[in-house]
Amino acid sequence: KAGVTQTPRYLIKTRGQQVTLSCSPISGHRSVSWYQQTPGQGLQFLFEYFSETQRNKGNFPGRFSGRQFSNSRSEMNVSTLELGDSALYLCASSSGRQYEKLFFGSGTQLSVL
Amino acid sequence: SQELEQSPQSLIVQEGKNLTINCTSSKTLYGLYWYKQKYGEGLIFLMMLQKGGEEKSHEKITAKLDEKKQQSSLHITASQPSHAGIYLCGADAFKTSYDKVIFGPGTSLSVIP
Repeated sequence: KAGVTQTPRYLIKTRGQQVTLSCSPISGHRSVSWYQQTPGQGLQFLFEYFSETQRNKGNFPGRFSGRQFSNSRSEMNVSTLELGDSALYLCASSSGRQYEKLFFGSGTQLSVL
Repeated sequence: SQELEQSPQSLIVQEGKNLTINCTSSKTLYGLYWYKQKYGEGLIFLMMLQKGGEEKSHEKITAKLDEKKQQSSLHITASQPSHAGIYLCGADAFKTSYDKVIFGPGTSLSVIP
């Protein structure tokens, strides 16, 4: 089975721009979760999608949004980028059942200049 | 909301030495996960614990969940350079329904040959 695939691997943007990140989960997995990781805040939960519906949401501003397609692939969008959005964005897939381990992608490293 | 703390924040050990990393929760842990991360990459699943007093081992890594299910420890025996990385504990935020998996701040481990 192929693992979780995130694209692109690296991204450089300037303040005010918007960005879209993509995540392809493991085949058969219906849940995709997104996390932001920074040196100061650690790994912070953004949101989780299950069967095309947002099931859980973290404490991030509305500039952060996401969606999931019928094939379980997910995209995350950040609008009006700020310097503080520079981070490693990780997505994780799972079956969506409770107490199931998450499988993580390698992440997208976003730098906002 | 539930929070996870880890100690120590960082650790430098000589190859061959044993070490322990701790994870403490503000609430009862119903699903406790240990992951390892190489810098700038995704997380690799190590182990999951659910029952009070449970202990699991894989190769030279042993994880335990205390009886009260509010603290977990990860013990590495005879450390090797390949053990270097960031160790994160994660937990299902709630028991009664599926919720997000939150993570501790991580423990950075360096192993000196």
